[in-house]
Amino acid sequence: AQTVTQSQPEMSVQEAETVTLSCTYDTSESNYYLFWYKQPPSRQMILVIRQEAYKQQNATENRFSVNFQKAAKSFSLKISDSQLGDTAMYFCAFMKYNNNDMRFGAGTRLTVKP
Amino acid sequence: DTGVSQNPRHKITKRGQNVTFRCDPISEHNRLYWYRQTLGQGPEFLTYFQNEAQLEKSRLLSDRFSAERPKGSFSTLEIQRTEQGDSAMYLCASSPTGGEKLFFGSGTQLSVL
Repeated sequence: AQTVTQSQPEMSVQEAETVTLSCTYDTSESNYYLFWYKQPPSRQMILVIRQEAYKQQNATENRFSVNFQKAAKSFSLKISDSQLGDTAMYFCAFMKYNNNDMRFGAGTRLTVKP
Repeated sequence: DTGVSQNPRHKITKRGQNVTFRCDPISEHNRLYWYRQTLGQGPEFLTYFQNEAQLEKSRLLSDRFSAERPKGSFSTLEIQRTEQGDSAMYLCASSPTGGEKLFFGSGTQLSVL
């Protein structure tokens, strides 16, 4: 079974600074996808970034980037130049290739302070 | 608005009552998912449809739960004889065939008193 672990229940960062959220996962699969989703107070899950396991290059989306370490089964999210609107719950998620069961971690609550 | 739509946004019911939620996916998306999210946890997979066919069901989906997608468009999730433990946010998501990106709705918050 696949499990996703987020070891930081809460984090905070000053506006304009950089913060890194941690995620580890456990799987015996070689092909899979990893995701970071953001859930603001509106409760709608918003895709932040995704990584395909077969790609060695780390994904980036504007201020968001990941550090994907396949051997270590680690998938951290770095948010640069943090903005107040980044305040939200962040969920790391795993999906096997050609599967439809996306597994989520317990989430990290990020607060960006002015 | 072409996003995933869920109704109602909130539902309060008494234990033992039946409730039904509706999800309207993005129109061109063939895949539809239901998830459940309890406070302080990430979403948990419940079930998945490819068009009108329900292809996967989680063990979390007890026999009191039933989901349908009769015409391959909108979907309903019914919970019979609700229990307090059913209180949660029920999230719907959709994706195109072959797409691994899920687009989520805003959820239905169920409170069972």
